Amino acid sequence: AQKITQTQPGMFVQEKEAVTLDCTYDTSDPSYGLFWYKQPSSGEMIFLIYQGSYDQQNATEGRYSLNFQKARKSANLVISASQLGDSAMYFCAMRDNTDKLIFGTGTRLQVFP
Amino acid sequence: NAGVMQNPRHLVRRRGQEARLRCSPMKGHSHVYWYRQLPEEGLKFMVYLQKENIIDESGMPKERFSAEFPKEGPSILRIQQVVRGDSAAYFCASSPLRDSTDTQYFGPGTRLTVL
Repeated sequence: AQKITQTQPGMFVQEKEAVTLDCTYDTSDPSYGLFWYKQPSSGEMIFLIYQGSYDQQNATEGRYSLNFQKARKSANLVISASQLGDSAMYFCAMRDNTDKLIFGTGTRLQVFP
Repeated sequence: NAGVMQNPRHLVRRRGQEARLRCSPMKGHSHVYWYRQLPEEGLKFMVYLQKENIIDESGMPKERFSAEFPKEGPSILRIQQVVRGDSAAYFCASSPLRDSTDTQYFGPGTRLTVL
């Protein structure tokens, strides 16, 4: 069965430092997509970054990059130069051939000055 | 270019009443997904629709819940005879194509509170 695991319920990082949020996944489908979403305290879900299972390069979007290790089934999110506005819940999700997104339980990131 | 629209943003219902949640996908998107987020949890898939068709409703509770996406107008998630356990945030997402590479973009959610 498809599953997403986020083992860090909470993380702290100092402003301007980099932080890595862990995500592992399990699927038997050869074709899948991996996504990260940010949910600030206001509640909306904001798409951050996408990685396809056949992509050779790690995805990057501004300060966000995805450390994709296919053999280990991990898709960790790296946020560089953290900002106070990065404080939020972060969800890793996987979309496979059944079309639905399967979400992890999330990691609450707090950035302190 | 407007994003996914959901209304109302907040909905309060008493036990036994009906809740209707509306979702207008992004322009050009013909695929709509509904998810539910219970407090302090991740999102759980409920139903996937295209215009006039339910493609996958494997995450929908068997009773009281229904969804539609008519030819004209928004997608509707309907909850009949609400109970306290239905209190949650309900998110709608849309995507342009049916493909594992397509990103689902989310609306702001509807927070349902059942008194």
